[in-house]
Amino acid sequence: GENVEQHPSTLSVQEGDSAVIKCTYSDSASNYFPWYKQELGKGPQLIIDIRSNVGEKKDQRIAVTLNKTAKHFSLHITETQPEDSAVYFCAASRRPTSYDKVIFGPGTSLSVIP
Amino acid sequence: EAGVTQFPSHSVIEKGQTVTLRCDPISGHDNLYWYRRVMGKEIKFLLHFVKESKQDESGMPNNRFLAERTGGTYSTLKVQPAELEDSGVYFCASSQFVSATGRTEAFFGQGTRLTVV
Repeated sequence: GENVEQHPSTLSVQEGDSAVIKCTYSDSASNYFPWYKQELGKGPQLIIDIRSNVGEKKDQRIAVTLNKTAKHFSLHITETQPEDSAVYFCAASRRPTSYDKVIFGPGTSLSVIP
Repeated sequence: EAGVTQFPSHSVIEKGQTVTLRCDPISGHDNLYWYRRVMGKEIKFLLHFVKESKQDESGMPNNRFLAERTGGTYSTLKVQPAELEDSGVYFCASSQFVSATGRTEAFFGQGTRLTVV
């Protein structure tokens, strides 16, 4: 079945350093790749997304890259801050379709050490 | 504007009991989704409503789970009878159609943590 793998499962970085989370997906028809951030006690919140016709997207300190041939996509956070500490989920789906079931990765718990 | 809200935030029940989770989507959102995260694993899709109709329920684990969305507004997810493996965090999300093929992003609720003992 469709699945998304995500690594690492936990990541600790010093404040100011960069953090990289990598994902792979199995469904070659996937064309939309959102990233969610879940803070303690809250639901997942979309922070950035990328579509299959784009190789890279950047929004301030976060960037995502996509390699459709290899079915890899990554999240890069630069100049990390303590408030970046959270669980990050990568995901993949087919959009637009008659439905947009999202397949999530298992999550990466990021800790930014002040 | 209120976001997606879920009730209760926590529920502890005994094996064999019944629990009903509720989700109030963002007003006007036709799409409503239920997801579940079990024991730190991935967030898994359960089902998708478009208004009051079940668009996709391929993720529902078994017939102990029943989801409804009467009137196309709020939704309930009932687990009857609950088993130990049903423990986890149940998330609801909603989104809206913005064109024939486009949707807003899915906005998630804070989740209901269900513990079956």
